[in-house]
Amino acid sequence: NAGVMQNPRHLVRRRGQEARLRCSPMKGHSHVYWYRQLPEEGLKFMVYLQKENIIDESGMPKERFSAEFPKEGPSILRIQQVVRGDSAAYFCASSPTMTQGARNYGYTFGSGTRLTVV
Amino acid sequence: AQSVAQPEDQVNVAEGNPLTVKCTYSVSGNPYLFWYVQYPNRGLQFLLKYITGDNLVKGSYGFEAEFNKSQTSFHLKKPSALVSDSALYFCAVRTGGFKTIFGAGTRLFVKA
Repeated sequence: NAGVMQNPRHLVRRRGQEARLRCSPMKGHSHVYWYRQLPEEGLKFMVYLQKENIIDESGMPKERFSAEFPKEGPSILRIQQVVRGDSAAYFCASSPTMTQGARNYGYTFGSGTRLTVV
Repeated sequence: AQSVAQPEDQVNVAEGNPLTVKCTYSVSGNPYLFWYVQYPNRGLQFLLKYITGDNLVKGSYGFEAEFNKSQTSFHLKKPSALVSDSALYFCAVRTGGFKTIFGAGTRLFVKA
């Protein structure tokens, strides 16, 4: 039973390029959460998605960032026209559906994607 | 707005001694409280949670946490620290929705 899978593990982009980060939740999980961890800082919530729906994107920067979780395939966090300040570790977590007691579920995290903008 | 505070950036403890990593929270409503651990270049691992019931919660790797409603605290504890416990520890809170807010993290160093 594979855990949360994130790829790539490391991603290097030049300023102005696009970065695509992928997250496949645990089998049976339909909720996905993206967090950003800056060096020497804690985790900052970015967005919460269910299949084909964005539930809460209050932590997403207004420009250049977008996220999706299609009916088929992984969740994608997309950063357009990357800048050096986007360099960070991006973590994805998943949880079960509400009917499975998701509210008291401890998230399962992926190993993260470390984005470096040069 | 809900928030979590971890007042210590770093905690140093000798191996074999008890350890405490502090966490206080601010929420409206009943909180769900969590502790996670992060080892270098890894994702976060769930340690334990408080939902309701006994104020002392036991989790993985011998860790436990004490919920104190009057002090709005949820401190992480372990009776006898190991060098392998050295890591970054995050406290987190969730209320009625699904969004979880994490503290800034506390780095634990256990010296042999």
